[in-house]
Amino acid sequence: DAMVIQNPRYQVTQFGKPVTLSCSQTLNHNVMYWYQQKSSQAPKLLFHYYDKDFNNEADTPDNFQSRRPNTSFCFLDIRSPGLGDAAMYLCATSREWGGRRETQYFGPGTRLLVL
Amino acid sequence: AQTVTQSQPEMSVQEAETVTLSCTYDTSESDYYLFWYKQPPSRQMILVIRQEAYKQQNATENRFSVNFQKAAKSFSLKISDSQLGDAAMYFCAYRSEAAGNKLTFGGGTRVLVKP
Repeated sequence: DAMVIQNPRYQVTQFGKPVTLSCSQTLNHNVMYWYQQKSSQAPKLLFHYYDKDFNNEADTPDNFQSRRPNTSFCFLDIRSPGLGDAAMYLCATSREWGGRRETQYFGPGTRLLVL
Repeated sequence: AQTVTQSQPEMSVQEAETVTLSCTYDTSESDYYLFWYKQPPSRQMILVIRQEAYKQQNATENRFSVNFQKAAKSFSLKISDSQLGDAAMYFCAYRSEAAGNKLTFGGGTRVLVKP
């Protein structure tokens, strides 16, 4: 089935040690998103890619970076994780950015623990 | 900036009964979309139902229906004939036509279904 896949599902890292989270999609969608969801809170958009065009949210910390080497894959890099970065990270895709029928498709998330 | 508020952190319902989740939003725009997403424990977020602001008719998807009150900026979700599989976090989300595909989420409501 076409889907959004996130690996790993659980990631443990040490304070200050760089970590990369992975997302892939078989939907061939143009847009990929990364959200941060802290415990019992709403998902918060960090950034999105439209094809290779990167779009950062204004309040996303510099500590968070992203790469999209091709249509299928998108990575979230956290350069120096702090304790406050422990959260669920959700990847999502959509066919286009905008349009009346657009819907986002979410992956299962990666739960990041920072020790 | 748009805000989405879900005033019920948790709702409990008996199996086969009906539960209504509330959502209010604040916007100055006239063209937008509203969504309810379901996030089961340890599983991916999925779209339950969507409503386009220009449509007066309330959306319905099987056991799920909405009560969209545009003037009151209210968008409640009714789950009829509740099933054990309905247990999840439910997020209300807003998307402006002018802001592409960016979603603004409410804080979520946890639905517990009692057998």
